[in-house]
Amino acid sequence: GDSVTQMEGPVTLSEEACLTINCTYTATGYPSLFWYVQYPGEGLQLLLKATKADDKGSNKGFEATYRKETTSFHLEKGSVQVSDSAVYFCALSDWTGNQFYFGTGTSLTVIP
Amino acid sequence: SQTIHQWPATLVQPVGSPLSLECTVEGTSNPNLYWYRQAAGRGLQLLFYSVGIGQISSEVPQNLSASRPQDRQFILSSKKLLLSDSGFYLCAWSVMGGQQPQHFGDGTRLSIL
Repeated sequence: GDSVTQMEGPVTLSEEACLTINCTYTATGYPSLFWYVQYPGEGLQLLLKATKADDKGSNKGFEATYRKETTSFHLEKGSVQVSDSAVYFCALSDWTGNQFYFGTGTSLTVIP
Repeated sequence: SQTIHQWPATLVQPVGSPLSLECTVEGTSNPNLYWYRQAAGRGLQLLFYSVGIGQISSEVPQNLSASRPQDRQFILSSKKLLLSDSGFYLCAWSVMGGQQPQHFGDGTRLSIL
């Protein structure tokens, strides 16, 4: 079946450092891919999405490119801020749209 | 625009007591609805999903149940809570059909004493 695998955390970075959170997927056909962010004590918020190969999703300085050849959707940001401290989830919707899969989440802490 | 409301935000219940968590969606019709549980520091566990009124699919056998009495209302219930039911409960909705994202409520923090 389809699945999402993302890098284990926690990740701790200094402010203004570069961020990469790895996400790879296994899927039949052409899934859509998503990144969600969860701030402490809150629900998940959709951060960005990509619906086909080579699409780049972007929002709030974060980017992720749908790479079909490497089955990856890595989250990147060039300069993180303390306010980016949160848990990040990679997710996919399968080609039918009927199933949704989440990764296990990666905790990011940004220190001043 | 669409919004999702989930309440209460926090709940402390004794073991063996009943539970009712409610979720409503506004601004859309015929949504897919979902209940997830998130244990502390862990990922998401899908508990139930619904594609229509009265249609509930259970992903994990347990002492919880779900109901969808109206198109945009989703209720999570239990007759007798266990200590292991503690966690953060999240309701979500998505547009029916197509590869659409899920949209989450703010969650309910449930503590069982």
